[in-house]
Amino acid sequence: GEDVEQSLFLSVREGDSSVINCTYTDSSSTYLYWYKQEPGAGLQLLTYIFSNMDMKQDQRLTVLLNKKDKHLSLRIADTQTGDSAIYFCAAGGGATNKLIFGTGTLLAVQP
Amino acid sequence: NAGVTQTPKFQVLKTGQSMTLQCAQDMNHEYMSWYRQDPGMGLRLIHYSVGAGITDQGEVPNGYNVSRSTTEDFPLRLLSAAPSQTSVYFCASSTTIPGLAGGGTDTQYFGPGTRLTVL
Repeated sequence: GEDVEQSLFLSVREGDSSVINCTYTDSSSTYLYWYKQEPGAGLQLLTYIFSNMDMKQDQRLTVLLNKKDKHLSLRIADTQTGDSAIYFCAAGGGATNKLIFGTGTLLAVQP
Repeated sequence: NAGVTQTPKFQVLKTGQSMTLQCAQDMNHEYMSWYRQDPGMGLRLIHYSVGAGITDQGEVPNGYNVSRSTTEDFPLRLLSAAPSQTSVYFCASSTTIPGLAGGGTDTQYFGPGTRLTVL
């Protein structure tokens, strides 16, 4: 079946930039999402990008999409301790008509 | 709006016991779903509903039942709990079906989760 993969853990220092990477297998995916899960809470949609876009910027967040390589990344500028969370990538709008979530990346921000 | 609410927050069961996880939303969303979250496996869809009276199976439906008698409520029933069902369960709702080709990008709202341990 279709799959979305992420690295499990990323550690950065406060003030640095964080880059969380994701790869997906369904080349027909039309929407790629980033969700944030804070400790003890449900998932919250952070941002999304359409497959016909290369980049989307929203304040400190920059999403880059390489459709050829089926690679998505989320860059967080000036990372703060409040950004510590699990970040999920998800792909949807493709041939499966399903939303497929990645395994999540735990971002730890060191003060 | 309370959004999506789930009860209980925590539950411990013995193998073979049954229980119901409650989920409610007050946003008049047609689409509701249940996911389970396990370490290293992301979120997996258990069951979903596209409206009152309509439910369907997701990726991992075995051992779970659902019903949708009202738009607001979507309970998940564990018929005979097993240790393999130890997980964190999330309920979610949205106006359209997430991931549907051409379905748009309506936000899917998640509840706070229920942490279930089966001994």
